[in-house]
Amino acid sequence: RKEVEQDPGPFNVPEGATVAFNCTYSNSASQSFFWYRQDCRKEPKLLMSVYSSGNEDGRFTAQLNRASQYISLLIRDSKLSDSATYLCVVQDSWGKLQFGAGTQVVVTP
Amino acid sequence: NAGVTQTPKFQVLKTGQSMTLQCAQDMNHEYMSWYRQDPGMGLRLIHYSVGAGITDQGEVPNGYNVSRSTTEDFPLRLLSAAPSQTSVYFCASSPGLSNEQFFGPGTRLTVL
Repeated sequence: RKEVEQDPGPFNVPEGATVAFNCTYSNSASQSFFWYRQDCRKEPKLLMSVYSSGNEDGRFTAQLNRASQYISLLIRDSKLSDSATYLCVVQDSWGKLQFGAGTQVVVTP
Repeated sequence: NAGVTQTPKFQVLKTGQSMTLQCAQDMNHEYMSWYRQDPGMGLRLIHYSVGAGITDQGEVPNGYNVSRSTTEDFPLRLLSAAPSQTSVYFCASSPGLSNEQFFGPGTRLTVL
């Protein structure tokens, strides 16, 4: 079983719509959680950290559910520029980062 | 600042050849790491370093060597290339383990 699992998608989203997707992790002792964004054939870049109480950054909202061991990302008012692959990253208790394979989002006009 | 730079961007090797992937950062970060990214899989850690002179193995270290003689540079050596090492390789740096990882643009390696 993978330590971090994501629905690969693609999630096809009309421009202006809302899309949400989850990431599950297997290590209950995981310490920190992040969402990275990766454009096609580019390097990953940090989108946002995920805090226990949930957090927003503009149109992006991240939530953590420790009891069910998943994190989520919601994108409101989707823009064409939001088309990308979103990587879930979990830091384990030894400080090592575990990456999910990514969820592809395609925003269509 | 250039951030994290990697060379080459593309490389084709024959089975059994050796080569070094270069990685440099100008942000004075202590932590540097090498990942490989394969289709359908998350980035997997090959080797990492928490400072000059200190390196350690990650999840998939076999077939690769690293050294960290300076804070800035963290080269990855393929000892004897195999087709299973065909992948995209990313170098990353950060001030510490829990901080944002800054990735280089990647090296696309094909081993024939």
